[in-house]
Amino acid sequence: NAGVTQTPKFQVLKTGQSMTLQCAQDMNHEYMSWYRQDPGMGLRLIHYSVGAGITDQGEVPNGYNVSRSTTEDFPLRLLSAAPSQTSVYFCASSLIGGGPYEQYFGPGTRLTVT
Amino acid sequence: AQTVTQSQPEMSVQEAETVTLSCTYDTSENNYYLFWYKQPPSRQMILVIRQEAYKQQNATENRFSVNFQKAAKSFSLKISDSQLGDTAMYFCAFTSVTRDSNYQLIWGAGTKLIIKP
Repeated sequence: NAGVTQTPKFQVLKTGQSMTLQCAQDMNHEYMSWYRQDPGMGLRLIHYSVGAGITDQGEVPNGYNVSRSTTEDFPLRLLSAAPSQTSVYFCASSLIGGGPYEQYFGPGTRLTVT
Repeated sequence: AQTVTQSQPEMSVQEAETVTLSCTYDTSENNYYLFWYKQPPSRQMILVIRQEAYKQQNATENRFSVNFQKAAKSFSLKISDSQLGDTAMYFCAFTSVTRDSNYQLIWGAGTKLIIKP
């Protein structure tokens, strides 16, 4: 049971480039989400999904796309990278059908946009 | 709107001491969960403890315990016999378990805890 996995762990992009951050979980969790964490700050929700085929925007969705074609995978796409997207990105998942609702986190991806 | 407030940006204590981190929240819901997460320098987010609002008994996990005051909307974390490995950012989080909430976690800004040798 690997839990929540994220790839890559580190990434450097040039302004305007696009890329996909990968997230997978093997716990059969319905809920998956993407957060960003800027230095010295808390977590801000980018996008989330309550099941395969269902996604919705969080607090800071601009510049990012997601899709959920399977229960296990929830990739985050940066469409045209900007320096303001330099951050650490976390993927998380949880059960929502009866609880216990705590989110399990991946190890994070540190993204630098130059 | 539901909010979570952590009023202590930073705290430091000596090893083996007891420390309490504060968290207050605001909600009109009656059924919800509260969590404390720890984020050490490795950046990994680790669940420390969970409290279900309908349970009156305070949750305990080894050296970690909470003081859950539902009427006051307060959820403090007590760390007993603190250890150097407890040095981390600690985040308080809330979720109301309704479809309208979309099961989102509402996060506090965090408290940086430093355990001194």
